[in-house]
Amino acid sequence: NAGVTQTPKFQVLKTGQSMTLQCAQDMNHEYMSWYRQDPGMGLRLIHYSVGAGITDQGEVPNGYNVSRSTTEDFPLRLLSAAPSQTSVYFCASNPRTGPGELFFGEGSRLTVL
Amino acid sequence: QQQVKQSPQSLIVQKGGISIINCAYENTAFDYFPWYQQFPGKGPALLIAIRPDVSEKKEGRFTISFNKSAKQFSLHIMDSQPGDSATYFCAASGMDSSYKLIFGSGTRLLVRP
Repeated sequence: NAGVTQTPKFQVLKTGQSMTLQCAQDMNHEYMSWYRQDPGMGLRLIHYSVGAGITDQGEVPNGYNVSRSTTEDFPLRLLSAAPSQTSVYFCASNPRTGPGELFFGEGSRLTVL
Repeated sequence: QQQVKQSPQSLIVQKGGISIINCAYENTAFDYFPWYQQFPGKGPALLIAIRPDVSEKKEGRFTISFNKSAKQFSLHIMDSQPGDSATYFCAASGMDSSYKLIFGSGTRLLVRP
């Protein structure tokens, strides 16, 4: 099992560009979520999904979109990148039976110039 | 407003010493309190977790102490080892919403040989 796989690992964008961070899990977990990690602020929840076709906002959703068409995939879209979105992004998954351990990917480091 | 406050921001301990990291929360609806460990370049991984129906949980050298009335919990690492050098995050959520963790700001632990 690969667990949670995130791509790309590194990305540099210019202000106003759009991009999608990919996340896939092979553990058949119902729940998936996206966090961003910034120095001194821990991890903050951006969006989460409790199953295919169901998504909801977390603490810091502005500027991001998500969709969940399959159990395995949960992409995060930046519509118009801003320097404030420079961060390390982590995707996580956990099973419905809880409370469940969150399994994190290795992160995607995004820099917006 | 940060719902989970973590201290200290950084900690240096000699090999064999005790590392103590403290967290305080505000939301009395929280009833699941995990600790995550993160090594550089990796995603966080669950270390140990506690529910408020117990005051202490021990797993090997790692112990969580929980004070429900004070709304505080702490991580104790006994006999700290250089391999424990990492960033530690406390977190909190409802039992039925562990996919929506609220994280503390993190503590960078360095254990000197």
